[in-house]
Amino acid sequence: AQSVAQPEDQVNVAEGNPLTVKCTYSVSGNPYLFWYVQYPNRGLQFLLKYITGDNLVKGSYGFEAEFNKSQTSFHLKKPSALVSDSALYFCAVRGPYNTDKLIFGTGTRLQVFP
Amino acid sequence: NAGVTQTPKFQVLKTGQSMTLQCAQDMNHNSMYWYRQDPGMGLRLIYYSASEGTTDKGEVPNGYNVSRLNKREFSLRLESAAPSQTSVYFCASTVASGGAAAYEQYFGPGTRLTVT
Repeated sequence: AQSVAQPEDQVNVAEGNPLTVKCTYSVSGNPYLFWYVQYPNRGLQFLLKYITGDNLVKGSYGFEAEFNKSQTSFHLKKPSALVSDSALYFCAVRGPYNTDKLIFGTGTRLQVFP
Repeated sequence: NAGVTQTPKFQVLKTGQSMTLQCAQDMNHNSMYWYRQDPGMGLRLIYYSASEGTTDKGEVPNGYNVSRLNKREFSLRLESAAPSQTSVYFCASTVASGGAAAYEQYFGPGTRLTVT
């Protein structure tokens, strides 16, 4: 079955430092992987995706993610964190049987301190 | 272009009451979804509609019904609310199936529902 795991409930980082939010996946077939962000009292917003091609994908707001097939990981990264990056981040994987469904992880709260 | 809109934003129900959550999108998307978000559980799919006139159960459909009224609107009904249905409900939509863009879902602002 398709699934993703986000091992950290919360990540704390100082403004200006690099950040990493972790995600591992388990899929049958080729993985389609996604990151979404949720700001307080808002719906989720799409950040970036990996379908095929380069293992490093770039997305909105300066975020990027690295696909690692051997480690079955898709970690979200940003070279220099901003206080405004503080939000809830969700990793997701395409659902089974190539349907238009997403399976979401449990989310990681990113707190960036000034 | 309003994107995905949901009404109401907040609702308090007593156990056993019924209500319908409304969702509409103006992006001409074919697929629409209803999720619930609970602390520590992430988002779980309740129901899904690939196109007007079709609906499909998701991970947690019990206690809910849906109606895809037309291409724009997808409503979620709680026939007899229970405290376990206290949650934040999100509607989402996406373009037609068959490509990678189909997984870029657009979310509404959510409905915060409390059942006492």
